[in-house]
Amino acid sequence: AQTVTQSQPEMSVQEAETVTLSCTYDTSESDYYLFWYKQPPSRQMILVIRQEAYKQQNATENRFSVNFQKAAKSFSLKISDSQLGDAAMYFCAYRGSDKLVFGAGTILRVKS
Amino acid sequence: NAGVTQTPKFQVLKTGQSMTLQCAQDMNHEYMSWYRQDPGMGLRLIHYSVGAGITDQGEVPNGYNVSRSTTEDFPLRLLSAAPSQTSVYFCASCGTANSPLHFGNGTRLTVT
Repeated sequence: AQTVTQSQPEMSVQEAETVTLSCTYDTSESDYYLFWYKQPPSRQMILVIRQEAYKQQNATENRFSVNFQKAAKSFSLKISDSQLGDAAMYFCAYRGSDKLVFGAGTILRVKS
Repeated sequence: NAGVTQTPKFQVLKTGQSMTLQCAQDMNHEYMSWYRQDPGMGLRLIHYSVGAGITDQGEVPNGYNVSRSTTEDFPLRLLSAAPSQTSVYFCASCGTANSPLHFGNGTRLTVT
């Protein structure tokens, strides 16, 4: 079964600094998709970034980028120039041939 | 453009009662799923469906039933509510495997 592990329950970053959130996953599939979602206090789920496993190039969306290491089954999220609005719960997610599963989440706090 | 409509928003049940959480989407998505969100445990997959007439178990299916008689609807039934089922429930759908999940607004369920 596919599993997703986020080993950092909570992280803090100073405004304008860079922070990296970790995610590892376990799968026997070769073709799959990885996602990072953000959940602010409103409880709304917002897609931050996605990565196709067959693409070696790391995905980037403005201040958000990933470090995708397929062999290591690692998918970390880097947030550059952190802003107060980045404070939220962040979930890593995996989708293979059928279902989509999430990690336990990392709470990100941004200090001004 | 309604997206994913999930009802009710709040529900209080007594132990042993049954109820159905409704979920409907108007985007012709094949994939639909139910998650529960508990503190420190992220979003755990309860049941999912990859198309009308097809359902499968996720990570925590016990105590819940689903059906998918149409593409649009994916109700979640609690057969005999237990306090351990107190949680926030999300319905979500998506089209292709690499497309983002569209989430409902969530249901906060309390079982006393």
